[in-house]
Amino acid sequence: GENVEQHPSTLSVQEGDSAVIKCTYSDSASNYFPWYKQELGKRPQLIIDIRSNVGEKKDQRIAVTLNKTAKHFSLHITETQPEDSAVYFCAASMSRTGGSYIPTFGRGTSLIVHP
Amino acid sequence: NAGVTQTPKFRVLKTGQSMTLLCAQDMNHEYMYWYRQDPGMGLRLIHYSVGEGTTAKGEVPDGYNVSRLKKQNFLLGLESAAPSQTSVYFCASSPRGGLHQPQHFGDGTRLSIL
Repeated sequence: GENVEQHPSTLSVQEGDSAVIKCTYSDSASNYFPWYKQELGKRPQLIIDIRSNVGEKKDQRIAVTLNKTAKHFSLHITETQPEDSAVYFCAASMSRTGGSYIPTFGRGTSLIVHP
Repeated sequence: NAGVTQTPKFRVLKTGQSMTLLCAQDMNHEYMYWYRQDPGMGLRLIHYSVGEGTTAKGEVPDGYNVSRLKKQNFLLGLESAAPSQTSVYFCASSPRGGLHQPQHFGDGTRLSIL
């Protein structure tokens, strides 16, 4: 099955700095890559996603890049703010019979933004 | 529109007791999932369902059973709770679609087994 590795497990930055979280996946058939943000004690929520026919996607201060050849994708957060502090999860999934997909999650990155 | 609702939010059990966690979604989603979240382990899939009346095993199914009798509900059962099942449990749902669709998560159930 699919295996997703996520690094680093903890990332500490100063407010205003950029943060980069990297994930690698094992199955070349994976074609959908969502990123979720989970604040302390809350539910995971989608912040951005990318499909395999696109190399980069941006939404304000957040961007995701995908390298299908190397099988890795990254989350980039610019001008970090204290409210960006949370655990971030990457995931990879592929289409299955019937159109369903079952994502495999990375272990998460705890991002701490110091004021 | 409540989204995904999980009950209960917290529960403490003794080893050997049984219980059922309920997940309800009002978005008419076809797919539903149960995950457990442990420190440093991310979200691990327990069981999932691709439609009413169908269920399948995920990564860590042992010790759990599920049922999807109605499209909007997905139940997770622990027949004989063990301390290793102490965790935070999340339910999620997603719609069927030609393109991948993100998952919508509930608020979680914090379960402690003594």
